[in-house]
Amino acid sequence: LAKTTQPISMDSYEGQEVNITCSHNNIATNDYITWYQQFPSQGPRFIIQGYKTKVTNEVASLFIPADRKSSTLSLPRVSLSDTAVYYCLVGDMVGAAGNKLTFGGGTRVLVKP
Amino acid sequence: EAGVAQSPRYKIIEKRQSVAFWCNPISGHATLYWYQQILGQGPKLLIQFQNNGVVDDSQLPKDRFSAERLKGVDSTLKIQPAKLEDSAVYLCASSLVPGRSDTQYFGPGTRLTVL
Repeated sequence: LAKTTQPISMDSYEGQEVNITCSHNNIATNDYITWYQQFPSQGPRFIIQGYKTKVTNEVASLFIPADRKSSTLSLPRVSLSDTAVYYCLVGDMVGAAGNKLTFGGGTRVLVKP
Repeated sequence: EAGVAQSPRYKIIEKRQSVAFWCNPISGHATLYWYQQILGQGPKLLIQFQNNGVVDDSQLPKDRFSAERLKGVDSTLKIQPAKLEDSAVYLCASSLVPGRSDTQYFGPGTRLTVL
């Protein structure tokens, strides 16, 4: 069971790049890394997923080093609306019972004007 | 595409009462999840269904919580009797394929307050 560790909170300013690093030392070969965003009073929302190297979509980039023991979510040029909690999850694609996809405590990102 | 629907959005009950939550997943999604999210914490998986069968309910307090997914579509989560510590947001999510890392789409949640 791959456990994740993230910073509890981060502050940033509008227009800056925010990088959130997640540690997952026990990641397994079949595990993927997924990030979700959650606003108050809403359910989490998928941001990005990757297995290795770098993945980029219209909202974020995900950097995964060769050993895959950590990953970094990068949010370019954040705005006030990016203030949210960001969760890093690690899990496999098989869905076998016992391999729980576990949300940790997440990182609370506060974007200031 | 319609999202995951949940009702009610809010519920206030007294301890030892019963309560039920309803979830309608995205059409065609085979996998359905129920999570409990206590204030300030990340969501905790309670139960996962694949169609109408249970894949994982290892973290479901079975002495008081029950869930079903009849016909592999809608699902209900019930708490009987409720305790103060059950106060939380109950999130329903669905995904297209059974893989744990498949994108999960979450509903808005039901905020339960137990007095």
